[in-house]
Amino acid sequence: GIQVEQSPPDLILQEGANSTLRCNFSDSVNNLQWFHQNPWGQLINLFYIPSGTKQNGRLSATTVATERYSLLYISSSQTTDSGVYFCAVPSGGSNYKLTFGKGTLLTVNP
Amino acid sequence: DAEITQSPRHKITETGRQVTLACHQTWNHNNMFWYRQDLGHGLRLIHYSYGVQDTNKGEVSDGYSVSRSNTEDLPLTLESAASSQTSVYFCASSESPGGPYNEQFFGPGTRLTVL
Repeated sequence: GIQVEQSPPDLILQEGANSTLRCNFSDSVNNLQWFHQNPWGQLINLFYIPSGTKQNGRLSATTVATERYSLLYISSSQTTDSGVYFCAVPSGGSNYKLTFGKGTLLTVNP
Repeated sequence: DAEITQSPRHKITETGRQVTLACHQTWNHNNMFWYRQDLGHGLRLIHYSYGVQDTNKGEVSDGYSVSRSNTEDLPLTLESAASSQTSVYFCASSESPGGPYNEQFFGPGTRLTVL
């Protein structure tokens, strides 16, 4: 099946710093999602981004489907950005089932 | 507002007992999914359904079953709970519009402990 690798596995930042999280996938995909799992365990949808670039406030994401990667940018990080960031792509020949990466654990210190 | 809910939010049970976790969505989505989340493994797909009376096995389906009798609900049953099934369980749903847009939305999760 499709492999999804995220890097870095852990990241520690000071408040106000910028960061880039990467998601590589092993096969062609036609959609990709980024999620934030907050410290309470809730999975929050950040982006649905099959290709191109999207922005939402301090966060933006870029997917280059032809090169099989996606990037999540966090600018001017805040302590509330802490948590685990997952990317997920369709698997098993289906548009609907998702395979998740193992996530990037982000800690933003005040 | 449309939402997806799970119950119970926390459950402690004993080895060998049957346990059912509920998932209910009000988006009228055709697709529903169950995942489990374990440290070091991320989220893994257990079972999924593309509509009423449709169920399919996912990556880690052994010891679990689902049934889909209506659009809104996909209960997950552990037939005989094992300690290896201690985990956090997430339900999700998405549309099946015939087009490419199928963003998944997740419920709040159920933390299950099997003693």
